[in-house]
Amino acid sequence: ETGVTQTPRHLVMGMTNKKSLKCEQHLGHNAMYWYKQSAKKPLELMFVYNFKEQTENNSVPSRFSPECPNSSHLFLHLHTLQPEDSALYLCASSQVSIAGGLAYEQYFGPGTRLTVT
Amino acid sequence: AQSVAQPEDQVNVAEGNPLTVKCTYSVSGNPYLFWYVQYPNRGLQFLLKYITGDNLVKGSYGFEAEFNKSQTSFHLKKPSALVSDSALYFCAVSRHAGNNRKLIWGLGTSLAVNP
Repeated sequence: ETGVTQTPRHLVMGMTNKKSLKCEQHLGHNAMYWYKQSAKKPLELMFVYNFKEQTENNSVPSRFSPECPNSSHLFLHLHTLQPEDSALYLCASSQVSIAGGLAYEQYFGPGTRLTVT
Repeated sequence: AQSVAQPEDQVNVAEGNPLTVKCTYSVSGNPYLFWYVQYPNRGLQFLLKYITGDNLVKGSYGFEAEFNKSQTSFHLKKPSALVSDSALYFCAVSRHAGNNRKLIWGLGTSLAVNP
């Protein structure tokens, strides 16, 4: 496997279900991201992990819970979602310097198409 | 307010013709500028970036972009379009925010290259 992989590629879940999205990066990067992509809206940054520490949570509802056990893996745990949460969820990784900064490009996985019924 | 604008929802161009996808930004300080492409049912792929130096940046698949500070623009260009270039293109700008830089994304421009 190369680059950034995401599983599953498609997920249909009911509002009472609990599921998890998985992301793995094989690029040796030290930062990972979750984005939500909805039609006609800008890409929404949800969470950022730098060196396994969460550094960003953009007012995401608590029904989304991220987990970053190591610098290569990122999970997004989902529970009691709403229909408006249906979207493409993208994982990305990049290299960041210890001093901070995002001059480095991000590499994206193919995404998980989530449908909440 | 910090923002990125892609003024065209859709761009249509004939194969073999030059293409331009427009991007303008409003950001304080020195911007870092990026272009990404998204093919159907795929994630975003990095095309090119401007950090500093030469205003004309060359990237993947024959694409290039020109940073114009006075017009606060970073338009994506290609001299000769291919049908396979048909995709969704996103411009993004990075602004400094504390100890980190945040990416601000445009809404995307759908490029259709007609045979």
